[in-house]
Amino acid sequence: GEDVEQSLFLSVREGDSSVINCTYTDSSSTYLYWYKQEPGAGLQLLTYIFSNMDMKQDQRLTVLLNKKDKHLSLRIADTQTGDSAIYFCAEISGGSYIPTFGRGTSLIVHP
Amino acid sequence: DAGVIQSPRHEVTEMGQEVTLRCKPISGHNSLFWYRQTMMRGLELLIYFNNNVPIDDSGMPEDRFSAKMPNASFSTLKIQPSEPRDSAVYFCASSFDGGNTEAFFGQGTRLTVV
Repeated sequence: GEDVEQSLFLSVREGDSSVINCTYTDSSSTYLYWYKQEPGAGLQLLTYIFSNMDMKQDQRLTVLLNKKDKHLSLRIADTQTGDSAIYFCAEISGGSYIPTFGRGTSLIVHP
Repeated sequence: DAGVIQSPRHEVTEMGQEVTLRCKPISGHNSLFWYRQTMMRGLELLIYFNNNVPIDDSGMPEDRFSAKMPNASFSTLKIQPSEPRDSAVYFCASSFDGGNTEAFFGQGTRLTVV
């Protein structure tokens, strides 16, 4: 079945860039997402990219998609302590409305 | 819209008791999901409803778990009898089958079974 993999932890210094990586197996993915979960809260959509795109930029966020390698990344520029959270990669395949989520990457931002 | 509303936010119960978790999806959404989140297993899809009909319940752990969606604005997830290993955060999410199909999550119910 479909699988989404991401590393569990990332630690960065405040002001540096963070890059969170994700790989997926389903070649028919249509949308790929990054969700953010803050402590004690549900997941919230941060950004998404359609599968026919290879890059999307939104203020401090840059999403890169390498469809050939089935690799998705999220870059956060000038990382702040408020960016500390769990970041989930997710995908939806053509014809399905069920998102498949990765395990989540805990981003820790230290001064 | 107030978003996806779940109740209760926290539930502590004794092993063997029945637990009912509730969810009100966003008005106009036609897909509803129940997820369970634990440190060990991450975010697991339990069941998916589309237009109030259960489409995929392959993630429901066992017969102790049941879910219903009697109408478009309400869903329940019931555990009977509950066990300590059911302790987790349970999320309800809803979406509309169109556009980018963004899933909107509730705040979750933290269940502790002692």
